[in-house]
Amino acid sequence: EDKVVQSPLSLVVHEGDTVTLNCSYEVTNFRSLLWYKQEKKAPTFLFMLTSSGIEKKSGRLSSILDNKELFSILNITATQTGDSAVYLCAAFLASGNTGKLIFGQGTTLQVKP
Amino acid sequence: ETGVTQTPRHLVMGMTNKKSLKCEQHLGHNAMYWYKQSAKKPLELMFVYSLEERVENNSVPSRFSPECPNSSHLFLHLHTLQPEDSALYLCASSQGAGGPYGYTFGSGTRLTVV
Repeated sequence: EDKVVQSPLSLVVHEGDTVTLNCSYEVTNFRSLLWYKQEKKAPTFLFMLTSSGIEKKSGRLSSILDNKELFSILNITATQTGDSAVYLCAAFLASGNTGKLIFGQGTTLQVKP
Repeated sequence: ETGVTQTPRHLVMGMTNKKSLKCEQHLGHNAMYWYKQSAKKPLELMFVYSLEERVENNSVPSRFSPECPNSSHLFLHLHTLQPEDSALYLCASSQGAGGPYGYTFGSGTRLTVV
């Protein structure tokens, strides 16, 4: 059974802290690993990772994939209260002409002032 | 606005009602998806449509019936639901294998079954 597991499930930090969110996966027909941020309703895209060992960065956020050990991490430096959200990790699997995303449970991040 | 629009935003229905959720995408994508997000659980894939043809049905009960009349529109018809079906229902679209930016999600319909 395809499975994506995130840890921790929840995290409370103070502004300025650095956080690391973890995502491990056991899936078939793996193509890529995606990270989303969900604040209220629609998950919004952060990163898509396909190549192992290559870090992707966007401002204070960065992510890297290890497709041998089957995990990814999302780092957020100098956290701000606006970073408070649920962070979703998903494995994208090939399936016919499309594909499908298998999600983890999410990590709920709360950043206190 | 993500380019994927879902209506209604909120829906309360009785167990004997029939209602429909609507999703419309303006991105020119050729695949559309329904996901269910329940509290404390991962997003669950329900249905996948590619080029208006259903290509995946993840053991979803028959009280949920999808319809994809064209590549821009996706419906989820609901009838005789149970209280445990209360959840956020998210629609997403993608171009083929997802492109460089994966899926685009709508804002969801918050469904409450009473």
